[in-house]
Amino acid sequence: TQLLEQSPQFLSIQEGENLTVYCNSSSVFSSLQWYRQEPGEGPVLLVTVVTGGEVKKLKRLTFQFGDARKDSSLHITAAQPGDTGLYLCAGAPDSNYQLIWGAGTKLIIKP
Amino acid sequence: GAVVSQHPSWVICKSGTSVKIECRSLDFQATTMFWYRQFPKQSLMLMATSNEGSKATYEQGVEKDKFLINHASLTLSTLTVTSAHPEDSSFYICSARRGSLADYTDTQYFGPGTRLTVL
Repeated sequence: TQLLEQSPQFLSIQEGENLTVYCNSSSVFSSLQWYRQEPGEGPVLLVTVVTGGEVKKLKRLTFQFGDARKDSSLHITAAQPGDTGLYLCAGAPDSNYQLIWGAGTKLIIKP
Repeated sequence: GAVVSQHPSWVICKSGTSVKIECRSLDFQATTMFWYRQFPKQSLMLMATSNEGSKATYEQGVEKDKFLINHASLTLSTLTVTSAHPEDSSFYICSARRGSLADYTDTQYFGPGTRLTVL
């Protein structure tokens, strides 16, 4: 069974600070996606990474896919209260497209 | 962008009744739809994978006779929670994707979710 370990599970920081969320696995993924979810709503896709070593930037968010395609990170620079939410990573294994989900990171940015 | 809708957005029902939740892809044809369940402060748990015109594939531990899934068209899948009980109360989310199963990079588009409360 493939697992995707996401850490930290909860993070509360002050506005302006930087943070990094990690998703790690012992298995290889063909692609990995990051989502953000607001309470009472469905997840919204932020980015998909598919190539080992790939780095994608979305404004203050930087996403990286590990060289071996087993891990990924999300780095937020100068966090703002609007970044508050649940961040989820999800990996697509080689065998099929059923996403393997991380446990999620509840992020709170205090003004 | 692709839009997926769910209806209703929330529902309250009495124990023992059945509830149907609809998932529609509004501007694309979804070859595959997925149904997830999410408990408070937890990640999404896949319940079943639904391919148009065929029977849904249920994840281990999900009762197929309790959670009936019908994917009758390329734009509509329904989840019926039969004889609902309070422990079925949860947030149910569907997602839809286009493209073939071989396309690992194709995106799943998520519906807004349905909050089910069983009294």
